[in-house]
Amino acid sequence: DAGITQSPRHKVTETGTPVTLRCHQTENHRYMYWYRQDPGHGLRLIHYSYGVKDTDKGEVSDGYSVSRSKTEDFLLTLESATSSQTSVYFCATQTGAYEQYFGPGTRLTVT
Amino acid sequence: ELKVEQNPLFLSMQEGKNYTIYCNYSTTSDRLYWYRQDPGKSLESLFVLLSNGAVKQEGRLMASLDTKARLSTLHITAAVHDLSATYFCAVDILGKIIFGKGTRLHILP
Repeated sequence: DAGITQSPRHKVTETGTPVTLRCHQTENHRYMYWYRQDPGHGLRLIHYSYGVKDTDKGEVSDGYSVSRSKTEDFLLTLESATSSQTSVYFCATQTGAYEQYFGPGTRLTVT
Repeated sequence: ELKVEQNPLFLSMQEGKNYTIYCNYSTTSDRLYWYRQDPGKSLESLFVLLSNGAVKQEGRLMASLDTKARLSTLHITAAVHDLSATYFCAVDILGKIIFGKGTRLHILP
């Protein structure tokens, strides 16, 4: 267990509101990732980070932004939530041996 | 376009049988991952394959990688009910990790 926590674990929010999800790791892993999982789509990469303040876009980055001001924290922000962003969000870290560890997930519902 | 395709997407099999899940990808990559996900849970890393010809085994699961054919396989030997889950492959393309849609495996007693 790589010591990854996500908060909140569940959230219901209204369309148009900003939402921030937090991923926290205790393993000092350099790489961190945000994914969303939807039925029929598997997991899709939103953004990833390869170090403090170093981030890049994934497959489905529109409508999302990220920040990483400390090694242990990777924040995902939905600037103005839409119903299409209702999903389960997973954070992951990667070790130097390329093994990925996933957090428990955040279930987000946008009404 | 980057594509990672798994087949089959659904598999129902009897305990004790062998089967293989296939993962094809559309562009060059030297890193391929296999994960397991139980319903309502997070993903668990099974294997990381880092080079052509790599083979890894853990219990009844064995994964292999052929980078020239852009193909990885996950072989299940003498399946048991506890292996029922969804299995994902994923490919690292220059730092971006692209997942297949997953294979839902149901093992019947």
